[in-house]
Amino acid sequence: GAGVSQTPSNKVTEKGKYVELRCDPISGHTALYWYRQSLGQGPEFLIYFQGTGAADDSGLPNDRFFAVRPEGSVSTLKIQRTERGDSAVYLCASSFDRYNEQFFGPGTRLTVL
Amino acid sequence: SQKIEQNSEALNIQEGKTATLTCNYTNYSPAYLQWYRQDPGRGPVFLLLIRENEKEKRKERLKVTFDTTLKQSLFHITASQPADSATYLCALLRKGGYQKVTFGTGTKLQVIP
Repeated sequence: GAGVSQTPSNKVTEKGKYVELRCDPISGHTALYWYRQSLGQGPEFLIYFQGTGAADDSGLPNDRFFAVRPEGSVSTLKIQRTERGDSAVYLCASSFDRYNEQFFGPGTRLTVL
Repeated sequence: SQKIEQNSEALNIQEGKTATLTCNYTNYSPAYLQWYRQDPGRGPVFLLLIRENEKEKRKERLKVTFDTTLKQSLFHITASQPADSATYLCALLRKGGYQKVTFGTGTKLQVIP
């Protein structure tokens, strides 16, 4: 029951490949966030879901990045044609709503060779 | 765009002393400001939230203040312990119906026994 889970914990891929990162939020949390964190930096906002819809995707760096949350619970972040600069830890967080604290998952460490 | 500044230099303090961390923001007024703790290899963990109309919040040995005139929040840990050593992040939600939460780069705290 627990907290937010993310899979895989580590993903190594080659430049140009497609990857999917999964987030299982806390049950009942309607708000879900994706962030990207590089070493020595704070989490960088990517996208926010309220229910099934992406309410704010202004942080997605380009059209290679896409995220879905079709049933309002599990979310998948998809990255096409990966580049070495995409290497980072991808964090997912869920919240009761955007006015309350976020509960973070452990992150997925993505390495693009 | 919103900018949050935290002291990027590590803060070293002696066990038992009070640690004070600073978060300064520019441009937009926050609806709230949050503080998180992050340990290496883990996702951030929520500590405290302070809303725009609040001046101070406390939780056990933690205290947060919020000065909207100075555009600054201070985070205090009293009677610090080596187990408090971690990176501390501040984050804010912009006022006015926005969804994006912006994080600072974090300050690394080292409590020396």
